[in-house]
Amino acid sequence: LAKTTQPISMDSYEGQEVNITCSHNNIATNDYITWYQQFPSQGPRFIIQGYKTKVTNEVASLFIPADRKSSTLSLPRVSLSDTAVYYCLVGTAGSARQLTFGSGTQLTVLP
Amino acid sequence: NAGVTQTPKFQVLKTGQSMTLQCAQDMNHEYMSWYRQDPGMGLRLIHYSVGAGITDQGEVPNGYNVSRSTTEDFPLRLLSAAPSQTSVYFCASSYSLIQGGSGYTFGSGTRLTVV
Repeated sequence: LAKTTQPISMDSYEGQEVNITCSHNNIATNDYITWYQQFPSQGPRFIIQGYKTKVTNEVASLFIPADRKSSTLSLPRVSLSDTAVYYCLVGTAGSARQLTFGSGTQLTVLP
Repeated sequence: NAGVTQTPKFQVLKTGQSMTLQCAQDMNHEYMSWYRQDPGMGLRLIHYSVGAGITDQGEVPNGYNVSRSTTEDFPLRLLSAAPSQTSVYFCASSYSLIQGGSGYTFGSGTRLTVV
């Protein structure tokens, strides 16, 4: 299973763009990169997934360089409600092997 | 509402007691799994199932049993509760594993305390 490394915590202010980088040096060819968000006392919630280059949805963007050894989750114009833990996962497609959740990144948005 | 339903939300057990955590989904998802989350940590996989009648162990399976008799239900059984099993338990489901876990839907969790 590909191991991921993320910063333990980050602070930001309302209205700013936040970029959270995840390192996954031993990512496999078939692996996808997925990001989840978790609020206190709730289960994680799927944010975005990608394989290469850039993916954008209504919530976030995901940037993946050509070597795929890292990825960056970008949250535009964060608000206080974006304060949460963000997990980067690397998963193997077409297999029963499981995704591993690391400790995640605690994002705190300040007023 | 469609989603993953976990019951109970809270439970206190005495050491040595057994109990079953219930998980049900109404999205016709083939894949279901159980995770535990300890304070300040990420989620660790306990058991998972890729379809009715098929289960397998995850990272921390000791002390837990599962079965999958229907697509909808995936109960987690604690055989003899220990204080080390005090944790928050999450059930998750997904349509498939083909894209490495896209669209996992998580339940709201069961907070278990073993005294």
